[in-house]
Amino acid sequence: GQNIDQPTEMTATEGAIVQINCTYQTSGFNGLFWYQQHAGEAPTFLSYNVLDGLEEKGRFSSFLSRSKGYSYLLLKELQMKDSASYLCARTNAGKSTFGDGTTLTVKP
Amino acid sequence: KAGVTQTPRYLIKTRGQQVTLSCSPISGHRSVSWYQQTPGQGLQFLFEYFSETQRNKGNFPGRFSGRQFSNSRSEMNVSTLELGDSALYLCASSLGGQVNEKLFFGSGTQLSVL
Repeated sequence: GQNIDQPTEMTATEGAIVQINCTYQTSGFNGLFWYQQHAGEAPTFLSYNVLDGLEEKGRFSSFLSRSKGYSYLLLKELQMKDSASYLCARTNAGKSTFGDGTTLTVKP
Repeated sequence: KAGVTQTPRYLIKTRGQQVTLSCSPISGHRSVSWYQQTPGQGLQFLFEYFSETQRNKGNFPGRFSGRQFSNSRSEMNVSTLELGDSALYLCASSLGGQVNEKLFFGSGTQLSVL
């Protein structure tokens, strides 16, 4: 993705916690989205951060630091169904720019 | 409420041909954006339409074009297809295209250029 970096692949164990990082260019930044995409399916919305701090939604939390151009998605109590690609996207003037996605594999 | 519908689901074309993809947004959504997804390049923004006007455009050649109709349905056209155009084309809709609105994606059209 353009000016958005996230790890290509991650592996974690069922029941564990995993953190997926995303760094982005701060110029013209409005907000940061996280989407989940299972293989062969459409991306679906997970979270949106516009202010610094942590947003918690059940097993998933997302953090943003605007000054550092940094976000992470935290997945707790991992389940096998969490195996998917996680896409970080920044918005700027109504246009979303996506990272290449992090493929997470959850193993038993 | 029906989700975002894209047709066709799969397409096979040969180099030099043209193709038209269709996207019907969620009822009431007026913004439609298009993305190209490939394994090596991730999700690349093509363009966004709002109220029949192209509001944002990505860095794709002029062979890629689109339009939006008064009912918010959108079409994307690719002319003079190249092998590198093989990809999953995703359409996404949102209410008014405001910055903080989440996108609702269709299942995509998988285009193969031979």
